[in-house]
Amino acid sequence: GESVGLHLPTLSVQEGDNSIINCAYSNSASDYFIWYKQESGKGPQFIIDIRSNMDKRQGQRVTVLLNKTVKHLSLQIAATQPGDSAVYFCAETFSGGYNKLIFGAGTRLAVHP
Amino acid sequence: GAVVSQHPSRVICKSGTSVKIECRSLDFQATTMFWYRQFPKQSLMLMATSNEGSKATYEQGVEKDKFLINHASLTLSTLTVTSAHPEDSSFYICSARDPAASGGQNTGELFFGEGSRLTVL
Repeated sequence: GESVGLHLPTLSVQEGDNSIINCAYSNSASDYFIWYKQESGKGPQFIIDIRSNMDKRQGQRVTVLLNKTVKHLSLQIAATQPGDSAVYFCAETFSGGYNKLIFGAGTRLAVHP
Repeated sequence: GAVVSQHPSRVICKSGTSVKIECRSLDFQATTMFWYRQFPKQSLMLMATSNEGSKATYEQGVEKDKFLINHASLTLSTLTVTSAHPEDSSFYICSARDPAASGGQNTGELFFGEGSRLTVL
């Protein structure tokens, strides 16, 4: 569903720790999910994606987990670095490709040295 | 990789004037582009889907007469905010789908522009 305008929750972590950012999606028909990173004043940057026929996908330092039963998505960042500080959004879309890409509320990740 | 460029990156205008924002796909052809609006500390909200050679499809609650979208070529979509008011001040972001990014399949990868910050005085 559409994201509701709320203040962004913040996740604070120490440099080197692992980060887990969670997202709940609303449409059980969504079959493609993407995590984006957005730095201040910039557009979203693609991080990793996953299709609904998978429950886990790994990239470089990042892992996305998908639990379709509870409509939950998570992004795990290993060995978090100061450069990872940004706002992270999950996005969902429906079958047929990129029709409507609906963004979640977002989480601000603050990495402290 | 594919690049989507927006212009201008920042614009300040007086209330009542119109502002045009351009979105270009620099190294691929995009039959479909999307326009989002983002208020401070909030998420991206889809405004409309821009289709090359046809009318844009607007999301519920988005005034099509206020936010004019033109997708005249395969590499350019424009968003014109007409008779802008202070409440239209926002970060406008476009995205474009590169069908070739996934071997021509319908999914493709979605590339975002750097956004255009509009401030209406």
